[in-house]
Amino acid sequence: GIQVEQSPPDLILQEGANSTLRCNFSDSVNNLQWFHQNPWGQLINLFYIPSGTKQNGRLSATTVATERYSLLYISSSQTTDSGVYFCAIISSGGYQKVTFGTGTKLQVIP
Amino acid sequence: DVKVTQSSRYLVKRTGEKVFLECVQDMDHENMFWYRQDPGLGLRLIYFSYDVKMKEKGDIPEGYSVSREKKERFSLILESASTNQTSMYLCASSSRFQGLQAFFGQGTRLTVV
Repeated sequence: GIQVEQSPPDLILQEGANSTLRCNFSDSVNNLQWFHQNPWGQLINLFYIPSGTKQNGRLSATTVATERYSLLYISSSQTTDSGVYFCAIISSGGYQKVTFGTGTKLQVIP
Repeated sequence: DVKVTQSSRYLVKRTGEKVFLECVQDMDHENMFWYRQDPGLGLRLIYFSYDVKMKEKGDIPEGYSVSREKKERFSLILESASTNQTSMYLCASSSRFQGLQAFFGQGTRLTVV
């Protein structure tokens, strides 16, 4: 099956710093999403981005489907950004199944 | 906004009990999913359904069954709960009319004692 790898696995930032999270995948995709898992465990949709670039406030994401990677940018990080960030994909031949990456655990310290 | 609602946030059950986890979505999505999440193992797909009364096994279906009698509701059943089924359970739904974008419920943290 398709492989989804995220880096770095762990990240500690000082409040106000910027960061880039990466998601590599091994096959062509129909769908790519970024999620933030909050401390209570809920997965919050950040971006639906099978290709191109999108921005939402301090967050933006870029997917280069031909090169099989996606990047999530967090600017001016805040303590509320802490949590785990997941990349999730549906491969072109993968029916409707969503495959998750291993996640990046972000801690933003004051 | 799409809303996916799981029946319980926290649940404690005894070994051997039959456990039902319920999930309801309000956006007429044809696809629904059950995942479990464990430290170090990430999110793993248990079962999914692409239509009423249809189901497909995911990556770890052993010890679980599902029911989808109505389009909006997808139930996960633990026939005889065991301690190794202690986990966080997440339900999701999606639709091909929304690019298969997945929406998740708030999660159910199940402890089997």
